[in-house]
Amino acid sequence: SAVISQKPSRDICQRGTSLTIQCQVDSQVTMMFWYRQQPGQSLTLIATANQGSEATYESGFVIDKFPISRPNLTFSTLTVSNMSPEDSSIYLCSVEEGSGRAYEQYFGPGTRLTVT
Amino acid sequence: DAKTTQPNSMESNEEEPVHLPCNHSTISGTDYIHWYRQLPSQGPEYVIHGLTSNVNNRMASLAIAEDRKSSTLILHRATLRDAAVYYCILSTSYDKVIFGPGTSLSVIP
Repeated sequence: SAVISQKPSRDICQRGTSLTIQCQVDSQVTMMFWYRQQPGQSLTLIATANQGSEATYESGFVIDKFPISRPNLTFSTLTVSNMSPEDSSIYLCSVEEGSGRAYEQYFGPGTRLTVT
Repeated sequence: DAKTTQPNSMESNEEEPVHLPCNHSTISGTDYIHWYRQLPSQGPEYVIHGLTSNVNNRMASLAIAEDRKSSTLILHRATLRDAAVYYCILSTSYDKVIFGPGTSLSVIP
């Protein structure tokens, strides 16, 4: 299974600033995903990032707020822009392995963001 | 999107089997049933998935009802390390995994 690392593991940021989260995979993958997990809640999908194309955002998430880069098959970044305290969450990246519908997703350890 | 329904929480005694139920009455014929779990302060981890037949792996077993409208994740012998939130998910599209609230499993020593 893929091994995924994220940087930073946690950060405390001031409102109005931006933070870029990095996700590195130890193998080449086509699909990468970014999730948000607010305190005490389940995971919410932010966007799907394919290498070589624009990210596809879920309802309620926009590119201006959460720009995503996917420069190659092993790396992606998510930026949380113009942060407010409501952006305090854990942000996780994941990758998909498998074929057709019989796939599995593997997750990074997450980035814990606190906005003050 | 097809939805799943799980109990909010369950308790189990250590070293006893645990049966975690999931209802998915609107499942489509090609949806796979996936289970993930999230240990405290960690990202989710894949547990098991199946389509129609029961499945076993080193972590758990998945029992799927004949009409596929429900399934059960079976942990054969719960340990304290199995305390986690367990998510039952249908593959509602080719690429996305959409999480519901899941079942929070507590394991009592």
